[in-house]
Amino acid sequence: EDKVVQSPLSLVVHEGDTVTLNCSYEVTNFRSLLWYKQEKKAPTFLFMLTSSGIEKKSGRLSSILDKKELFSILNITATQTGDSAIYLCAPRRIHKIIFGKGTRLHILP
Amino acid sequence: DSGVTQTPKHLITATGQRVTLRCSPRSGDLSVYWYQQSLDQGLQFLIQYYNGEERAKGNILERFSAQQFPDLHSELNLSSLELGDSALYFCASSVAADGTGSGETQYFGPGTRLLVL
Repeated sequence: EDKVVQSPLSLVVHEGDTVTLNCSYEVTNFRSLLWYKQEKKAPTFLFMLTSSGIEKKSGRLSSILDKKELFSILNITATQTGDSAIYLCAPRRIHKIIFGKGTRLHILP
Repeated sequence: DSGVTQTPKHLITATGQRVTLRCSPRSGDLSVYWYQQSLDQGLQFLIQYYNGEERAKGNILERFSAQQFPDLHSELNLSSLELGDSALYFCASSVAADGTGSGETQYFGPGTRLLVL
């Protein structure tokens, strides 16, 4: 059975801190892994990862995939209050996309 | 604004009823995905259509059905509604179908909030 586990479930840090969010997965016929940020409403796309070891960066956010160990991490440096959100990891297999329960991140000013 | 539109924004109905949720993908996107998000279950993938044909199926109940029309808009039909169907229903679109290229990036609509009383 396909499985996605995100940790931690919840994280509270101060502005300026660096955070690392984890996603481990067991998915047959794996194709890619996506990260989303969900604030009040719809998720917004952050990254799509298909190859191991290649870091993707977007401003203060970066992410990397390890297809051998079946996990991905999302790093946010110099956090800001606007980073407060739920971060969702979603491995994609053939004919299916599986979302994790998310990590709820709260940034204190 | 992602370019994906969903109607209606909110829907309140009674158990046993049937509703239709509508989604218009971004211009040029051929794939449409439907998701259900409830408090206890998180975001659940329901179904994907690509250029009018069903492409992938997730945790979609038999009481639910979807279709994608020639103009690429999609409808999700929910019938014999139960209290547990109350949730936020998202539609997302992407250019591609089922590969590993950047065309797979999914853009989410604002969602339809369904409340079954």
